[in-house]
Amino acid sequence: QSVLTQPPSVSGAPGQRVTISCTGSRSNIGAGYDIHWYQQLPGTAPKLLIYGNNNRPSGVPDRFSDSKSGTSASLAISGLQAEDEADYYCQSYDSSLSGYVFGTGTKVTVL
Amino acid sequence: QLQLQESGPGLVRPSETLSLTCTVSGGSISTSSYYWGWIRQPPGKGLEWIGTIYYSGSTYYNPSLKSRLTISVDTSRNQFSLRLSSVTAADSAVYYCASEVGSCSGGSCYSKYYFDYWGQGTLVTVSS
Repeated sequence: QSVLTQPPSVSGAPGQRVTISCTGSRSNIGAGYDIHWYQQLPGTAPKLLIYGNNNRPSGVPDRFSDSKSGTSASLAISGLQAEDEADYYCQSYDSSLSGYVFGTGTKVTVL
Repeated sequence: QLQLQESGPGLVRPSETLSLTCTVSGGSISTSSYYWGWIRQPPGKGLEWIGTIYYSGSTYYNPSLKSRLTISVDTSRNQFSLRLSSVTAADSAVYYCASEVGSCSGGSCYSKYYFDYWGQGTLVTVSS
């Protein structure tokens, strides 16, 4: 049961900037729990992309950034590249469910 | 760098118990720096957190699976395991194990709720 809602798909031309929204509620994002983002390339395991307050693991380019406001968060990809074509998931903690929750997932297509 | 590897049967009969093991290499499972989690992904669908364990044996389960779920840790083998009973076709999925960053402060340790290293995943199909 996904309590974090993402758009099913977004697309953009190479070099463009795209954003992926992650809409939650007062029991997760709105409660102040951190949002984390994962990238899943076709046929592979998810990879941590951003954690906490806009922190990137080593090797993740600074083209990826996130922001949070109220009960929503967003992932931005600037300078879109063909290699960015993947599924993206947000993730947080939900106090009502007493567990970790993932977003519904967004497929990014590079035109 | 941590490496995780899932192992277990790829086919389970309905009503039986699904059992998987995750072997951790590149670091000790008995560290306060990490918790250890299971996540699954039905074919073509999104990710679902299953549960998490600390090396001490403390467990945290998805409430929707709690009645059927057992997660355990074997520190001597650097492994942790998942058992899900009374499976149905809805439990068919790719199952991932992952390391979950933890932190300790003032004698208390807690998870930071994100997964930094993942296994490659193993597909489990529930079918007769």
